[in-house]
Amino acid sequence: DVVMTQSPLSLPVTLGQPASISCRSSQSLVRFDGNTYLNWFQQRPGQSPRRLIYRVSNRDSGVPDRFSGSGSGTDFTLQISRVEAEDVGVYYCMQGTYWPLTFGGGTKVEIK
Amino acid sequence: QLVESGEFVVQPGGSLRLSCAASGFTFDDYTMHWVRQAPGKGLEWVGLISWDGTTPYYADSVKGRFTLSRDNSKNSLYLQMNSLRTEDTALYYCARGDSFSIDHWGQGTLVTVSS
Repeated sequence: DVVMTQSPLSLPVTLGQPASISCRSSQSLVRFDGNTYLNWFQQRPGQSPRRLIYRVSNRDSGVPDRFSGSGSGTDFTLQISRVEAEDVGVYYCMQGTYWPLTFGGGTKVEIK
Repeated sequence: QLVESGEFVVQPGGSLRLSCAASGFTFDDYTMHWVRQAPGKGLEWVGLISWDGTTPYYADSVKGRFTLSRDNSKNSLYLQMNSLRTEDTALYYCARGDSFSIDHWGQGTLVTVSS
């Protein structure tokens, strides 16, 4: 199975400042069709997860443009350009290139 | 909208069937997933089933014990859980997507396996 490793585990951020979360996969996520199936999810406290980003860098409808995804191969990053109070929660990466689908362990974003 | 059924307590070794009712979209256009989250822990993908129900796939942790099925005429997804273990205690999410991703999640149903 593909192992997804996120860092850091916890990310205290000042409001209005940027934040960056890293996700690394144990093997390349480029599928034979040329696509890279790397997703990012946000889980606010007490809520179900919500997808933010699919295929590395595509933002879902309604997701603020302060969220962006980048990366390739085995190294990926979720960036929040200016953290707002509503961004508090746990962020997960998930690969969909190989079955079984696998999640990273999560990164908890909190306000300093 | 995805609505999972109830909250359950079951003994180790027991069985349970979870249901998920879908509405507001064309159910048989989508692959469906189950994802679980143990208390205070991260997300664990459980399995998926293709739009027509012919291709289920499972995580190793549940293979041989859990069975996914769907009834497109009822816009419903099911998870049959057998030989339950204490480590299966979790919030189980029904989710919509494709073979590579999940784009919408239900609110989850809590399953507690305990004697």
